[in-house]
Amino acid sequence: EIVMTQSPATLSVSPGERVTLSCRASQSVSNNLAWYQHKPGQAPRLLLYGASTRATGIPDRFSGSGSETEFTLTISSLQSEDFVVYYCQQYHDWYTFGQGTKLEIK
Amino acid sequence: EVQLVESGGGLVQPGGSLRLSCAASGFTFSIYGIHWVRQAPGKGLEYVSSITNGGGTTYANSVKGRFTISRDNSKDTLYLQMGSLRAEDTAVYYCARAVWYSGSYYFDYWGQGTLVTVSS
Repeated sequence: EIVMTQSPATLSVSPGERVTLSCRASQSVSNNLAWYQHKPGQAPRLLLYGASTRATGIPDRFSGSGSETEFTLTISSLQSEDFVVYYCQQYHDWYTFGQGTKLEIK
Repeated sequence: EVQLVESGGGLVQPGGSLRLSCAASGFTFSIYGIHWVRQAPGKGLEYVSSITNGGGTTYANSVKGRFTISRDNSKDTLYLQMGSLRAEDTAVYYCARAVWYSGSYYFDYWGQGTLVTVSS
């Protein structure tokens, strides 16, 4: 099983700041990597697929990069609604998720 | 608007059974594969099962032999029949639509989930 490791688990940042979240795969997943945003009690929301392609309706302040085993999600200017949990997921070999990074207001 | 609405969760005793449903709308259900994903309290997301548009099924090892995924295209509904339930099956269960891309599937739309609690 491919293990996905996200870091850090929690990140304290201020609104308006730029933030980068990391996701590492235990073996290559090519660019078969998605990022999701999850607000408590709501449906997870797809942000990016193919490591860097924004999903429909996702603002351009969200961007992704990386391939093989190292990936990042960057939010260029944090809005209040961005302070939730983010998950990466590989769909190269079955489906596994990272443990999530929670953004909290500093 | 694409919508997925789960139902059927609740409290069940260990060893018991439960059937979850996922009602789809806003898209042509029959041409999409659909997944089940769960999240245990305080934990991350875990893949559970998938069914393709052709009816092919896959299961995580943790539920294989105990859970059965199925679909009724005439009702635009996905099901998850869960049996021999264990405390570790306690989770919010989500259904998610599968999109084929670059040789594999990612999940583009998700429901809000239904809570299953396994406890005596």
